Amino acid sequence: QVQLQESGPGLVKPSQTLSLTCTVSGGSISSGSYYWSWIRQPAGKGLEWIGRIYTSGSTNYNPSLKSRVTISVDTSKNQFSLKLSSVTAADTAVYYCARLQDAFDIWGQGTMVTVSS
Amino acid sequence: EIVLTQSPATLSLSPGERATLSCRASQSVSSYLAWYQQKPGQAPRLLIYDASNRATGIPARFSGSGSGTDFTLTISSLEPEDFAVYYCQQRSNWPPVYTFGQGTKLEIK
Repeated sequence: QVQLQESGPGLVKPSQTLSLTCTVSGGSISSGSYYWSWIRQPAGKGLEWIGRIYTSGSTNYNPSLKSRVTISVDTSKNQFSLKLSSVTAADTAVYYCARLQDAFDIWGQGTMVTVSS
Repeated sequence: EIVLTQSPATLSLSPGERATLSCRASQSVSSYLAWYQQKPGQAPRLLIYDASNRATGIPARFSGSGSGTDFTLTISSLEPEDFAVYYCQQRSNWPPVYTFGQGTKLEIK
């Protein structure tokens, strides 16, 4: 079955760019009518949608983060990626990647990213 | 932006009891409402999509209802593994923006 796995640095300095990759296994990222999304969750708090991408490269972002977010896809590697620029301590969170169709039906385990000098 | 408000914030019940969780949207979301369960240290798990459709592998004791602005997740008879935090989530049509409620913690009484 399809599984997702996030990877990337666990510590990012303030003002720098956070970069994460989600690797899709057990199926092709290009098969089916799925979007691929990033969602984050600060410790002890709720969930915040960051954005989504289709395998064509079409993207949609949360308006509150749009100026700082870029999501891209590499179908040859069965991966999609997140870049969040100019990070601050408020961006410290667990970051999840997820498959999206009618809802977010498959999630990665999440990766903790801390923004600190 | 559509805001989802979940109630109650915390629900204390015993195994075997019926749980009723509410999610209210600040404007109509039609039937684009999903429910997730999250246990400590785990990713959320999809339970219900399109307001009333159970996701693959979800037990029949979980059911969803509602449309427009008022939605309910019902767990007919609580099992020990059901105690967790539950989130509702909506999608606005255009531009597509997904938002989550603040969560309801279902705890053992």
